[in-house]
Amino acid sequence: AQSVTQLDSQVPVFEEAPVELRCNYSSSVSVYLFWYVQYPNQGLQLLLKYLSGSTLVKGINGFEAEFNKSQTSFHLRKPSVHISDTAEYFCAVTEPGYSTLTFGKGTMLLVSP
Amino acid sequence: DVKVTQSSRYLVKRTGEKVFLECVQDMDHENMFWYRQDPGLGLRLIYFSYDVKMKEKGDIPEGYSVSREKKERFSLILESASTNQTSMYLCASSLPGTALGYTFGSGTRLTVV
Repeated sequence: AQSVTQLDSQVPVFEEAPVELRCNYSSSVSVYLFWYVQYPNQGLQLLLKYLSGSTLVKGINGFEAEFNKSQTSFHLRKPSVHISDTAEYFCAVTEPGYSTLTFGKGTMLLVSP
Repeated sequence: DVKVTQSSRYLVKRTGEKVFLECVQDMDHENMFWYRQDPGLGLRLIYFSYDVKMKEKGDIPEGYSVSREKKERFSLILESASTNQTSMYLCASSLPGTALGYTFGSGTRLTVV
C-alpha cells in the first residue's frame, strides 16, 4: 500500500527567504509523485509532477522538486517566497496503472513580511 | 478553460437529512472522485468512478453513496447526514490512469447541525 508523510504541518517563513517542504513516500515499486497547492477557499491546483526521467522537476510559480529514490523523498523547494505563496501544499503518490492518488496530510506555508 | 464545477460552495443541513452534492466536469474525463478534507487529516478518498454507472469504494465510504448516470456528472449522497460529516468535500476528475493528475473543483463546505 502507498502512503505519504509530510513531515511538517506548518512552515513559517519570511518573504524572500528560501523554503523546503518535505515529503516522504512509501511504495515498493515505481511511482508517480505530485505536489498540489490549495489557496484559501479554493480547490487544489497542480504545481508539478514527477513521472520519470530527470529527478529535478520544475513547476509553476517558481517551485521545483527533487525525486530521491534512495531516500523515498520528493521535497518541494522555492528559492525566494512571496506573500502570495501562503497556502496549503499537498504531496501525493500513485503507481503506474493505479486509478487513485494517495495524499499527505498537507503542509501550511505561512509567509510573513 | 477546463473545469470541474461543484454546485454549492457552502451548505448547511440538519442531522438526518438526505444530502446531495453535485459535481460536473466538461473535460470528457472517464474518472471522477470524491474526497473529504479535514484539518490535520488531509484528503481522504470516499468513492471514485471510472465509467458511467461504475463505482468503487475508497478509504472512508461509510455513510455515503454515489451516483454516476452520465459521464460528466458524479453525485455524492449522504443518506442521513450526521454532525461528523461536517467537512470540506472536493470533487476531482481525470483521464484513465493518473499520470496527468487530477483536476479539482473548488469544494463544497458542508455543515451539519
